[in-house]
Amino acid sequence: QVQLQQWGAGLLKPSETLSLTCAVYGESFSGYYWNWIRQAPGKGLEWVGEIYQNGATSYNPSLKSRVTISIDTSKNQFSLKLRSVTAADTATYYCARTQQQPYKYFQYWGQGSPVTVSS
Amino acid sequence: EILMTQSPATLSVSPGERVTLSCRASQSVSNNLAWYQQKPGQAPRLLIYGASTRATDIPARFSGSGSGTEFTLTINSLQSEDFAIYYCHQYNNWPPFTFGPGTKVEIK
Repeated sequence: QVQLQQWGAGLLKPSETLSLTCAVYGESFSGYYWNWIRQAPGKGLEWVGEIYQNGATSYNPSLKSRVTISIDTSKNQFSLKLRSVTAADTATYYCARTQQQPYKYFQYWGQGSPVTVSS
Repeated sequence: EILMTQSPATLSVSPGERVTLSCRASQSVSNNLAWYQQKPGQAPRLLIYGASTRATDIPARFSGSGSGTEFTLTINSLQSEDFAIYYCHQYNNWPPFTFGPGTKVEIK
């Protein structure tokens, strides 16, 4: 059974960089796309971006200028960095897995990492 | 960007009832549509993909239908554990993948 376990700093000040990591257990890391999705308090889901095993990335245009997703296949981990955060970036961030097109639904999710941006 | 809408925003129902949730896409997404269930404090859980295929271990009371721009999630004989928020998600065109705003199914 695939398990995604995520961690990272939960409290940031405006202008700092958000950094989260997601580790994958129980199945091959290869052949899948690894995603970040966020959810502001009481709000809906917003896709942040994805990365493939070869390092190819795709980002939400609304966040593209501030986001970097990276991957470490030797550790079965991938990471999110979001620069210059503001209060609007306060959210629970989830990591999740999709497959190759057309199977791009989020089948497995991490437990979520709450992040608060406050001065 | 494909805009997803859902209706109603909130549905008040009694256990045992049948509920129908709607999702609409601003342009055709073929059958590349998924439904998720989210309970407070939990990550979303995949219910339906390909508009109508139940995910692993999802009870048969959950069913999905539709294609193109109009989709429906039906829950037959609502159980107490089904009270939650339901999101639709299109994965036909990206970036970005987009979600509907959700329908909250609450106890009447």
